[in-house]
Amino acid sequence: EAQVTQNPRYLITVTGKKLTVTCSQNMNHEYMSWYRQDPGLGLRQIYYSMNVEVTDKGDVPEGYKVSRKEKRNFPLILESPSPNQTSLYFCASSFRGLYGYTFGSGTRLTVV
Amino acid sequence: TQLLEQSPQFLSIQEGENLTVYCNSSSVFSSLQWYRQEPGEGPVLLVTVVTGGEVKKLKRLTFQFGDARKDSSLHITAAQPGDTGLYLCAGRTGANSKLTFGKGITLSVRP
Repeated sequence: EAQVTQNPRYLITVTGKKLTVTCSQNMNHEYMSWYRQDPGLGLRQIYYSMNVEVTDKGDVPEGYKVSRKEKRNFPLILESPSPNQTSLYFCASSFRGLYGYTFGSGTRLTVV
Repeated sequence: TQLLEQSPQFLSIQEGENLTVYCNSSSVFSSLQWYRQEPGEGPVLLVTVVTGGEVKKLKRLTFQFGDARKDSSLHITAAQPGDTGLYLCAGRTGANSKLTFGKGITLSVRP
């Protein structure tokens, strides 16, 4: 089944403790992206990648890092999480940037 | 300033009713997409429109892209409780530009 898999689905952590949210797609898509979704603010892009070793900032990149060492994986790294990073996070992929996105099921992160 | 304005923000209707919701912008889009998101899940792509004036149908859902490619509408005929969800429009202003999302329309269809 074609899908984007994120892990974990739920995570509660403490301020400053480094964490990684994994994202993997099995569709050989070139384009991958991370979004956060907050009430009243909608979906906002954090980082995106147009191919292996090619990443760029989205609208809200502060406090996040990404890497794209393999085509299928695009992990999101929070080096020192803070409470304002509490949010619902989605990973998405598409064949090329012009096509529709396939989203993962989301990761609900709480930073206390 | 929000690039894509969706209206209404919330809509609650009875099963069987028809409805139309809107996605508007002052910018011209090369393509526009509609997604539906259910609670606890990621958005799911419904349709992509690329040509001004284009109309696409997906069962009871009809999507239209404005002639000037600045707006779009979604019409649902005989709404069902399974149509309940958050409807998001998203657009690109150019071939290599990023996809920008509207804030969404929360639709509730009561049995």
